[in-house]
Amino acid sequence: AQSVAQPEDQVNVAEGNPLTVKCTYSVSGNPYLFWYVQYPNRGLQFLLKYITGDNLVKGSYGFEAEFNKSQTSFHLKKPSALVSDSALYFCAVRGVAPSKIIFGSGTRLSIRP
Amino acid sequence: GAVVSQHPSRVICKSGTSVKIECRSLDFQATTMFWYRQFPKQSLMLMATSNEGSKATYEQGVEKDKFLINHASLTLSTLTVTSAHPEDSSFYICSARGLAGDLNTGELFFGEGSRLTVL
Repeated sequence: AQSVAQPEDQVNVAEGNPLTVKCTYSVSGNPYLFWYVQYPNRGLQFLLKYITGDNLVKGSYGFEAEFNKSQTSFHLKKPSALVSDSALYFCAVRGVAPSKIIFGSGTRLSIRP
Repeated sequence: GAVVSQHPSRVICKSGTSVKIECRSLDFQATTMFWYRQFPKQSLMLMATSNEGSKATYEQGVEKDKFLINHASLTLSTLTVTSAHPEDSSFYICSARGLAGDLNTGELFFGEGSRLTVL
C-alpha cells in the first residue's frame, strides 16, 4: 500500500537559516510525490511535485524538494527561512488508484525571528 | 492556477440541524471532487470521492446517510452534514481535479475549508 511518513511533528528554525522538513515514502511502482502547505484555518496550497526527471524539484515560495530513491525520501528544503514560512506542511503520495492522494501526518514549521 | 471556492468558511449550528457546504471549481471543470475532514493538529482524512453525475464513493467508516454528497455539475459538489451533533464539529476541506493535465499525476486544487461548529 502507498504511504508517506513525516517523522517530525514540529520543526523550529531561526529566520535566515536553511530548513528541512522530512518525508519518507513507501510505494509500489513509480512514486508520484507532492508537498502541500496549510496556513491556519485555510485549505491546502500546492508547493511542488515529483513525477519523473530531475531529483531536485523546485516549487513555490523558494521551496525545493529532493527525491532520493535509495533512501525513499522526499525532503522539503529551503536555503533561507522566512517567518512567513511558518505553517503546517504535508507530504503526499498518489495512491494505487490515481484518484486518491494519501497525506502524511503533517509537520508544523515554526520560524523564529 | 485553478481556483476552488468553498462556502461557507465558518458555520455554527444547533445540534440536530443539517448543514450544507458547497465546493465550486471557478475556472475549470472538475470531474472529480474529494471531501476531507481535518481534526485539530491532525492530517486530512479522506471522507469520500465525488464524481460528476454518479454516486459518491465513501471511505470505510464514513456514514453515507450522515454525510450526503452531491456532484450535480462539473463545477459544484455539496456536502450535507445531516442531523449534526457536536462530534461532527471539524474542519471540512474539498479538493478538485480537472478534466486533463493533472489526471494522471494526482495534483489537487483545494478549497479554503469550512469550519463547522455544532452546539
